[in-house]
Amino acid sequence: GDSVTQMEGPVTLSEEAFLTINCTYTATGYPSLFWYVQYPGEGLQLLLKATKADDKGSNKGFEATYRKETTSFHLEKGSVQVSDSAVYFCALSGSSGGSYIPTFGRGTSLIVHP
Amino acid sequence: SQTIHQWPATLVQPVGSPLSLECTVEGTSNPNLYWYRQAAGRGLQLLFYSVGIGQISSEVPQNLSASRPQDRQFILSSKKLLLSDSGFYLCARGLAVFNEQFFGPGTRLTVL
Repeated sequence: GDSVTQMEGPVTLSEEAFLTINCTYTATGYPSLFWYVQYPGEGLQLLLKATKADDKGSNKGFEATYRKETTSFHLEKGSVQVSDSAVYFCALSGSSGGSYIPTFGRGTSLIVHP
Repeated sequence: SQTIHQWPATLVQPVGSPLSLECTVEGTSNPNLYWYRQAAGRGLQLLFYSVGIGQISSEVPQNLSASRPQDRQFILSSKKLLLSDSGFYLCARGLAVFNEQFFGPGTRLTVL
């Protein structure tokens, strides 16, 4: 079955540091890939997505590139802010036709210190 | 607009009591709907999903059940709560084509 593996957290950084959160996946077919963010006490929000190989999703300074050859979708940001502190989830969906079930990673907590 | 309402926002219930959490969706018809649970410090666990009225699929055996009495209403229930049912319950809908998930604000359930 499909699976998503992301790095264990928490990731602790100082403000303006470079961020990478690794995500790799296993899936049949050609899934769409997503990063979601969850701020404390809230539901998840879509951060960015990529729907085919070599696509780059970007939003709010975050980027991730769909790498089919390495089955990866690593999240990056050049300069993090305290307000980026949250839990980040990598996910995939639609790997086989008609599938309604998305697959989520376990989440990576990011803590940014001033 | 795409809005998901969940209520209540927080709930404290004794062990053995019943549960009913409600999710309603605005702005679309025949959405795919999902219930997830997040236990403290853990990831998302998909509990149920529904592709239409009266159609429920369960992902894990458990103490909970779900129903979809109307197109835009999804209800999570239990007859007798367990301590292990505590967690953050999230309702979501799948958006067309790529099935990205759009989440509601969640319900924090504490079972004592």
